[in-house]
Formats: sequence, structure tokens, C-alpha cells
Amino acid sequence: DAGITQSPRHKVTETGTPVTLRCHQTENHRYMYWYRQDPGHGLRLIHYSYGVKDTDKGEVSDGYSVSRSKTEDFLLTLESATSSQTSVYFCATADRGFTEAFFGQGTRLTVV
Amino acid sequence: QKEVEQNSGPLSVPEGAIASLNCTYSDRGSQSFFWYRQYSGKSPELIMFIYSNGDKEDGRFTAQLNKASQYVSLLIRDSQPSDSATYLCAVKRSGGSNYKLTFGKGTLLTVNP
Repeated sequence: DAGITQSPRHKVTETGTPVTLRCHQTENHRYMYWYRQDPGHGLRLIHYSYGVKDTDKGEVSDGYSVSRSKTEDFLLTLESATSSQTSVYFCATADRGFTEAFFGQGTRLTVV
Repeated sequence: QKEVEQNSGPLSVPEGAIASLNCTYSDRGSQSFFWYRQYSGKSPELIMFIYSNGDKEDGRFTAQLNKASQYVSLLIRDSQPSDSATYLCAVKRSGGSNYKLTFGKGTLLTVNP
């Protein structure tokens, strides 16, 4: 199995609270991605990183921020969680040549 | 126009048949194309990637790319019930080191015994 670990795997939080999801990789991959997956919408890109401290927005970035201070870790923060952010969140990584592109196990987040 | 489009299905084929899954993309600068399989409740797993026009075969799977027509397809030969899953097409867009990986919504495949 690819060395990509997401934590936590499940979380229930209240509206208005900050939440941070972590993606940790041992593949030494350059690229890292955060997606959310919702019924009828497929996988939608939130933010991505193309190197340490190099990040950019995806198609659904509002309400989310990211940080990547080292190659192994990519953090996704919901500054003030809303019910619309209830979803399954996936992290993915890819090597420089994009010959390997793997997903983590996913985090199921429920905002009540 | 969506960046990556797939027929949502469901696509139903009998066991042993060939399943054909299609994907179109809008950005002519797209460089790499990926097919993932996702079982219900699981994370996507990479099946194949293709960069060049033509066919690429790996076991029962064949990916086909036609950049002029902006489509990529996945053929599954001798389909098995265990192939029943959602198949996701992904496209890597161009732009220096700024690589986005964009997904279609996926096609649900059901292989009937």
C-alpha cells in the first residue's frame, strides 16, 4: 500500500469551529492534493501543493486554507466549519513525473 | 463546459463482456490522463495512466487516448463481477510546475454474473 495516511479518519464537529485535517506521506512525492467527494459532484479539488510552501487554489477553495511546511505533510484547515463542508475528504500525492498518483484512505467529516 | 466529463452511467455489462468507459476533456494543453477505480466506501486506486496518443494495455485493461478529439477511454476485457465499481477519469493540466489533477464525476459500472 502507498504510504499516505490521513488523520483523523472520522470527525464530527460543530458549526463555527476550526478543523484541521492532516495528510502524511512517506513517498517523497512532490505534489499533494486535497479533494472533497460528495454525491453527484464527484471529486472536487480544494487546494494543491507543488512543493514545500508552494500551494494554489482549486475549484472549491472558499472556506479552506492549506499549509505545507515540509514534504511529508499537507494540512487542510476549515477556518469556521459549516454544514456545507460535511463531506468525505481525500488527500492524494503524485511524484514528479506523475507516474505514481495515490490516494489516502479518506476522512469523513460531519459538521452539525 | 466541464473540464472533464464522463457518462455517469450506470453502465451494465454481462460477465465476460467488454466494458467501454469514455471521458472527454476541454483543455487541449492537458498532458497526462489517468483512470482510477473506486469501490463504494473506499478511496480511488490507480489503474492506468497514459501520456501518448494510441493504446496502452495492462492485463485486461486498455487505455486509449486521442488528443485531437480530446477523449480518453478505458476498455475492460473479460469483465468480472469484481470490476463493479465507479471508474474515474483524471486529467493533469499543463502550466509549468503548477500541476492540477482534475477528475470527472465517474462512471458506475456493474458487471452482472
